[in-house]
Amino acid sequence: NAGVTQTPKFQVLKTGQSMTLQCAQDMNHNSMYWYRQDPGMGLRLIYYSASEGTTDKGEVPNGYNVSRLNKREFSLRLESAAPSQTSVYFCASSERWGTDTQYFGPGTRLTVL
Amino acid sequence: EDQVTQSPEALRLQEGESSSLNCSYTVSGLRGLFWYRQDPGKGPEFLFTLYSAGEEKEKERLKATLTKKESFLHITAPKPEDSATYLCAGTFTGGGNKLTFGTGTQLKVEL
Repeated sequence: NAGVTQTPKFQVLKTGQSMTLQCAQDMNHNSMYWYRQDPGMGLRLIYYSASEGTTDKGEVPNGYNVSRLNKREFSLRLESAAPSQTSVYFCASSERWGTDTQYFGPGTRLTVL
Repeated sequence: EDQVTQSPEALRLQEGESSSLNCSYTVSGLRGLFWYRQDPGKGPEFLFTLYSAGEEKEKERLKATLTKKESFLHITAPKPEDSATYLCAGTFTGGGNKLTFGTGTQLKVEL
């Protein structure tokens, strides 16, 4: 099993450009999450999907949109990138919504110029 | 607001020199306490989950313990390959499965 996979690994955008980060999991998990990690700050939740067909805002949702394409895939879209969105983005999944352990992907390092 | 605080921010140990990392949290209905390891340029790797005060879990040179206010990650006779950032996170009552992360302890083990 590959676990949680993310594409791309690295991306450089100019301010105002758009892009979609892709995430897939092969563990048959119901819940999926998007986090961002910035220096000196803990991982912060952007959006999550407790189950297929549902999405909800996390702690820092402004400037982002998400799509739960099916049970395996959960994408994060930046419609008009800003330098403040320069960060490392992690996707995670868990078996159920609750206190289940979340398993993380390898991350996407995004730079917005 | 639920908070998770880790200390120290950075720790340098000699190989074989045992120590402990601390994770304290606001007491407002802890549901689960999680420890992750993160290597540079990689995603967090799950280590342990603790649910109740008094609970302990072990894996190789690592042991995690939980009290009503904090968790410790004990590292016994560490090796250079234990060098990494260790992250602590909690889920709290009313927060669903939202993980609140600390900022991590960066551990370096030297020969």
